[in-house]
Amino acid sequence: DAGVTQSPTHLIKTRGQQVTLRCSPISGHKSVSWYQQVLGQGPQFIFQYYEKEERGRGNFPDRFSARQFPNYSSELNVNALLLGDSALYLCASSLLTSSGANVLTFGAGSRLTVL
Amino acid sequence: QKEVEQDPGPLSVPEGAIVSLNCTYSNSAFQYFMWYRQYSRKGPELLMYTYSSGNKEDGRFTAQVDKSSKYISLFIRDSQPSDSATYLCAMNTGGGADGLTFGKGTHLIIQP
Repeated sequence: DAGVTQSPTHLIKTRGQQVTLRCSPISGHKSVSWYQQVLGQGPQFIFQYYEKEERGRGNFPDRFSARQFPNYSSELNVNALLLGDSALYLCASSLLTSSGANVLTFGAGSRLTVL
Repeated sequence: QKEVEQDPGPLSVPEGAIVSLNCTYSNSAFQYFMWYRQYSRKGPELLMYTYSSGNKEDGRFTAQVDKSSKYISLFIRDSQPSDSATYLCAMNTGGGADGLTFGKGTHLIIQP
């Protein structure tokens, strides 16, 4: 079985540009979450989506947006890129959406470098 | 004060040693506790998941949660060089769309 797949794996952008990252969840998982991991830090929660609706949002500016498609895949968009947006962007999928641990399976991530 | 504190290390131990990794947290609403392992340039991989206080064992790994002290631990027995990685603790309240709150991660090195 394929795990969580993310694309692209690496990309380089310049300040002010926009980026779109893509994620396909594990088959049967209806929830997708996005995390940002800056070098030397733990992942930080950005969004959770379930059944195409945003169900949770972390403390990130409005430059960050996401959406989920009918096939449960997801895109993360970041506008007006800043140097501080350089990070590994992790997508995770899960089965649980109501009360529970929300145990996540992560993809390998998309490494974004902003110059 | 950060919600989850974790010593970043590096922690270097000889092969075969027992490893103890720890996190403290401040939010008493956290109920679910996880340990992830992350190899360089890879995504985190779930090792253990525990609900509330108590112990859980899986092979060479044991997770402990002490909610009264807001302290969680991961023990690795008979450590192997392949265990060398960054270990991340994570937790949440279990409230539906509650995202995970991670520690900074501890970089573990097992010396052959």
